[in-house]
Amino acid sequence: AQSVAQPEDQVNVAEGNPLTVKCTYSVSGNPYLFWYVQYPNRGLQFLLKYITGDNLVKGSYGFEAEFNKSQTSFHLKKPSALVSDSALYFCAVRDRGNNNAGNMLTFGGGTRLMVKP
Amino acid sequence: DTAVSQTPKYLVTQMGNDKSIKCEQNLGHDTMYWYKQDSKKFLKIMFSYNNKELIINETVPNRFSPKSPDKAHLNLHINSLELGDSAVYFCASSQDRYTIYFGEGSWLTVV
Repeated sequence: AQSVAQPEDQVNVAEGNPLTVKCTYSVSGNPYLFWYVQYPNRGLQFLLKYITGDNLVKGSYGFEAEFNKSQTSFHLKKPSALVSDSALYFCAVRDRGNNNAGNMLTFGGGTRLMVKP
Repeated sequence: DTAVSQTPKYLVTQMGNDKSIKCEQNLGHDTMYWYKQDSKKFLKIMFSYNNKELIINETVPNRFSPKSPDKAHLNLHINSLELGDSAVYFCASSQDRYTIYFGEGSWLTVV
């Protein structure tokens, strides 16, 4: 079984400071890892993904995430936070398999990011 | 143009009623999903269809029945609604193994 843990319910950061939203995962094989963002009363928007290759993945809105296999982590980072980054962030994992339709995303519980001016 | 669209966005209904949420994707994807987000924001998959064929059916009450008339549509019908069904329901689609695209969500409130 696959699982994702986001240990922080909320992360507070001042505008202009770097931010990190933590994510650890558990999967039987090699993972596909994802970050999604949800703004209030909106759907989930794809931010970035790790499939293979470089451990540092760059995504939308200046976000990046680093895949660390030994620590089974995929923390989301941004060098300089904006107030508009305030939202709910979800980490997700998908086990590698042969069948696209048979795979599914398992989400973490979400972390609310609050960026204060 | 909205890639994955679902209607209605908001739905308030009484216990015992039957309701449907419709979903359409214009991305040409082969696979569509329904996810449920509960009051604590926890997201969990309910169903997955590939080319109109049910692939994933997680532990969901039989009152929930997905229907896929074609690969661009995956509707969710709910019978005998209960208070605990109140949640946000997200439709999604994907083509490859990598990225799933979500709709804007349907906020269901059962009173």
